[in-house]
Amino acid sequence: GENVEQHPSTLSVQEGDSAVIKCTYSDSASNYFPWYKQELGKGPQLIIDIRSNVGEKKDQRIAVTLNKTAKHFSLHITETQPEDSAVYFCAATTSNSGYALNFGKGTSLLVTP
Amino acid sequence: ETGVTQTPRHLVMGMTNKKSLKCEQHLGHNAMYWYKQSAKKPLELMFVYNFKEQTENNSVPSRFSPECPNSSHLFLHLHTLQPEDSALYLCASSQMTSMYEQYFGPGTRLTVT
Repeated sequence: GENVEQHPSTLSVQEGDSAVIKCTYSDSASNYFPWYKQELGKGPQLIIDIRSNVGEKKDQRIAVTLNKTAKHFSLHITETQPEDSAVYFCAATTSNSGYALNFGKGTSLLVTP
Repeated sequence: ETGVTQTPRHLVMGMTNKKSLKCEQHLGHNAMYWYKQSAKKPLELMFVYNFKEQTENNSVPSRFSPECPNSSHLFLHLHTLQPEDSALYLCASSQMTSMYEQYFGPGTRLTVT
């Protein structure tokens, strides 16, 4: 089955700096890659996603890049703010079992003022 | 608010108890999911329902019994649980299965004593 590895497990940045979280996947048939943000006491919230027919997608301060050849994708957050502090999860899935989101273990991001 | 609600938010139960978790989505979606979130582990998909039909049972022990009476409601019936079943149980929904965005509820924090 699909195996998703996520790094780093913890990340601390100063406000205004950029943060990058990386994920790799094992199944070359994977074609949908969402990113979720989970704040304390809440469920994961979808913040951005990318499909395999594009290499990059951006939404304001958040961007995701996908390298299908290397089987990795990354989340980039620019101009970080304290409210960006949360746990971020990447996931991957394939159209073969499209509903089965395989999640990484999460990255705990701390943005210090 | 994501449009997915879960009750109760917290539950403490003994190993011999029977309890049920409830999930309701107000998004008009057709697919609903149960996930288990344990510390230091990726989110684990437990069950998938598509148009009220169970399409996935991810090798979940029979002490967890799902029920989906309609596309808006999903239950997880619990009986004779073990302490290792203590976790955050998350419900999610999506328009359809297969590469559609999944929206999560806030979860039920379950503690088995």
